[in-house]
Amino acid sequence: KQEVTQIPAALSVPEGENLVLNCSFTDSAIYNLQWFRQDPGKGLTSLLLIQSSQREQTSGRLNASLDKSSGRSTLYIAASQPGDSATYLCAVPNSGYSTLTFGKGTMLLVSP
Amino acid sequence: GAVVSQHPSWVICKSGTSVKIECRSLDFQATTMFWYRQFPKQSLMLMATSNEGSKATYEQGVEKDKFLINHASLTLSTLTVTSAHPEDSSFYICSAGGTADQPQHFGDGTRLSIL
Repeated sequence: KQEVTQIPAALSVPEGENLVLNCSFTDSAIYNLQWFRQDPGKGLTSLLLIQSSQREQTSGRLNASLDKSSGRSTLYIAASQPGDSATYLCAVPNSGYSTLTFGKGTMLLVSP
Repeated sequence: GAVVSQHPSWVICKSGTSVKIECRSLDFQATTMFWYRQFPKQSLMLMATSNEGSKATYEQGVEKDKFLINHASLTLSTLTVTSAHPEDSSFYICSAGGTADQPQHFGDGTRLSIL
């Protein structure tokens, strides 16, 4: 059974800092890995999807890397802003491209 | 881009009431949709897979008679929490779509509070 772990559980940083969020998974036979953002009381917004054949994906100030063999992914946020404050979740498919197993998330607070 | 709409966003009702939550795919057809449940500060847990035109597939430990799922069209799945009790209070989120190179899309969630 796939298990996804995210470290740290919470992170508080001043505005402008670069930061790294970590995600690890137990079963490396994945098709892709997704990073999501969740604002309080809201649904999920997809940030980045890395296919199993890729090593990294970039979108604006976000960069996600994937190391399948070691079962790890990182989300790098450059020059953090208060608007980045949210919970960040990583998820991997259980089988095929369908249901996802999620980590518990990293709650990020960026202070002005 | 693809959008999944979920309604209502917030429900407060008395114990014993049945509550229906709708999940719609707005600009694509979804033969399969997924229902998740999220407790405070916890991860999303898959409840069931909703299949258009056939019975839903429930995860272990999820009561199919408590959480009724109907997927009558290619753009709509509904989750009905029957005879809801305070322990059913949670955040329910649906999703649809997703392939090896395309992300799965999520609704905005429904906050259910049973008094």
